[in-house]
Amino acid sequence: GAVVSQHPSRVICKSGTSVKIECRSLDFQATTMFWYRQFPKQSLMLMATSNEGSKATYEQGVEKDKFLINHASLTLSTLTVTSAHPEDSSFYICSARPADRKNTEAFFGQGTRLTVV
Amino acid sequence: DAKTTQPPSMDCAEGRAANLPCNHSTISGNEYVYWYRQIHSQGPQYIIHGLKNNETNEMASLIITEDRKSSTLILPHATLRDTAVYYCIVDSGGSNYKLTFGKGTLLTVNP
Repeated sequence: GAVVSQHPSRVICKSGTSVKIECRSLDFQATTMFWYRQFPKQSLMLMATSNEGSKATYEQGVEKDKFLINHASLTLSTLTVTSAHPEDSSFYICSARPADRKNTEAFFGQGTRLTVV
Repeated sequence: DAKTTQPPSMDCAEGRAANLPCNHSTISGNEYVYWYRQIHSQGPQYIIHGLKNNETNEMASLIITEDRKSSTLILPHATLRDTAVYYCIVDSGGSNYKLTFGKGTLLTVNP
């Protein structure tokens, strides 16, 4: 079945540094990918929609200059958390669906646990 | 806001059927009902989806009411590994459709 791979699965970084998270669709092309953030004991919150070849669309309240999204190919989207602070510590998850199929389920990455110290 | 309403938690005995309800009274004609689950510290996993007919696969059954305003996910023989948060989502199924997650139901399967 279709697979979405996310890397790294876990990262610890120092406050003020930047962290890049990759999301790859392994056996399908995705013109759109989605990035979510999940705090402990809460549901997934959509942060942004990553569009291949164009700018990402951010949800209300999400800082586009802090969470940089690049979707340079049909199989790869990256999320860079810039100047990370402890409050950015969270579980980040990406998802995608095949561009050439209708009424198919969304596939999710394994998630990235970011800890900012 | 999520378009669905689910109970926050449910318990089930191992080996018994788990029936998880979901209300989606504002569902549109072109929207499907999708179910996903999330085991702790993992990405969500697809379970099943349907439009108006009942559906069954190797994981679960989905029962959708005739007016499509509610549905029930059935895990026929729950195991301890089925302990997870279950999300019911209405979705048009397009590749650029934004999925909105509600709070889901935490299903705890007890030995």
